[in-house]
Amino acid sequence: DTEVTQTPKHLVMGMTNKKSLKCEQHMGHRAMYWYKQKAKKPPELMFVYSYEKLSINESVPSRFSPECPNSSLLNLHLHALQPEDSALYLCASSQFGGGGPRSSYEQYFGPGTRLTVT
Amino acid sequence: SQQGEEDPQALSIQEGENATMNCSYKTSINNLQWYRQNSGRGLVHLILIRSNEREKHSGRLRVTLDTSKKSSSLLITASRAADTASYFCATDAVGANSKLTFGKGITLSVRP
Repeated sequence: DTEVTQTPKHLVMGMTNKKSLKCEQHMGHRAMYWYKQKAKKPPELMFVYSYEKLSINESVPSRFSPECPNSSLLNLHLHALQPEDSALYLCASSQFGGGGPRSSYEQYFGPGTRLTVT
Repeated sequence: SQQGEEDPQALSIQEGENATMNCSYKTSINNLQWYRQNSGRGLVHLILIRSNEREKHSGRLRVTLDTSKKSSSLLITASRAADTASYFCATDAVGANSKLTFGKGITLSVRP
């Protein structure tokens, strides 16, 4: 199974709502990622989990809160978002993280969650 | 900050022609990767080339890497309408802890 799944596919939420995005992989990958992508722009890294520990936080506002309950699951909790947070949120996984010339692994992406904040 | 910069930004070709896309980057890398994204969907990994490799092939794809010029090219041979997508190069920079930095992307249109 070489698939990363994400739910929901689409999400519309108000600025006072609390919602969560979910990501799952069953490839035994030990690194998982959240990206944000605006229209016609490249993906921007938000968070990296390596061996279920948060290893990179790209100075993301605290209204985005990641969680990695186990090696297969990654959540992104959303609270008090702004309209400019509307975007495609992509989850990805790779076999290992940690960097260095020996950890050159491709990332497998999920189909994304299209988030609209009203 | 943008590490990879692709050119051209947009490319339109006829089915059956070859498509060449270029990527330049700024710092030392562990590897460079190319991804494809169909409209509004997730990215699909195409090919990874390590810093000690110069050329790699996968099906109709050929990637070259010139670390002295800090540049890479992706060649798609015998293009098909289904190759229509956005293509991104992404660099795994030395010391970046497996963080991939994506270029702005190239929009490829293959006319039937």
